[in-house]
Amino acid sequence: EVQVMESGGGLVHPGGSLRLSCAASGFTFSSYEMNWVRQAPGKGLEWVSYIHSSGNFIHYADSVKGRFTVSRDNARNSVYLQMNSLRVEDTAIYYCAREDIPADGPFDYWGQGTLVTVSS
Amino acid sequence: SYVLTQPPSVSVAPGQTAKITCEGNNIGAKIVHWYQQRPGQAPVLVVYDDGDRPSGIPERLSGSKSGNTATLTISRVEAGDEADYYCQVWDTSSLHRVFGGGTKLTVL
Repeated sequence: EVQVMESGGGLVHPGGSLRLSCAASGFTFSSYEMNWVRQAPGKGLEWVSYIHSSGNFIHYADSVKGRFTVSRDNARNSVYLQMNSLRVEDTAIYYCAREDIPADGPFDYWGQGTLVTVSS
Repeated sequence: SYVLTQPPSVSVAPGQTAKITCEGNNIGAKIVHWYQQRPGQAPVLVVYDDGDRPSGIPERLSGSKSGNTATLTISRVEAGDEADYYCQVWDTSSLHRVFGGGTKLTVL
């Protein structure tokens, strides 16, 4: 059974940092691209970041570029999101989602999300 | 950046047909995916590659495209279909994934 599970959310002050993790199981993790998607309270889905199966190609939404860094460890079946210089508007549930093969495939499996709250 | 536009809300009576639209420039050249999100839950893929359904998704849900509009159609609407629905594409210009703003489906 395919599973992805996020962790690492919590309360952080503006300007602070947080590292999210996403642990995957039930599929060949090294073959799949992964994404982070967030949802602010009462708002819609916002794509945050993409990382290629190899880890060599990465893309970010303009809203987080320069502050967030995505990485993966295929040996640990995990993807990470390092979030620096956090702002109040980064408050959201952060979802990890598998992107199906081939390119421009759908997000076919999602985690339950981890809540990040940025507040003083 | 690429923009997908959805109506904020759609209302339909049980047993009727709901149509949720997603507009985007030259969307006909892009592959569209649709997600359902019930309150308090993670999104679930309901239609991919414009009109295909993952296993376990009822045939009542279908996707189509015409011109600059993609449409998610839900036939014989049930109370359990009440949820937020999002369209999504891959913008080949920016290489960003893009979501529509979402549509809240209310079953009257």
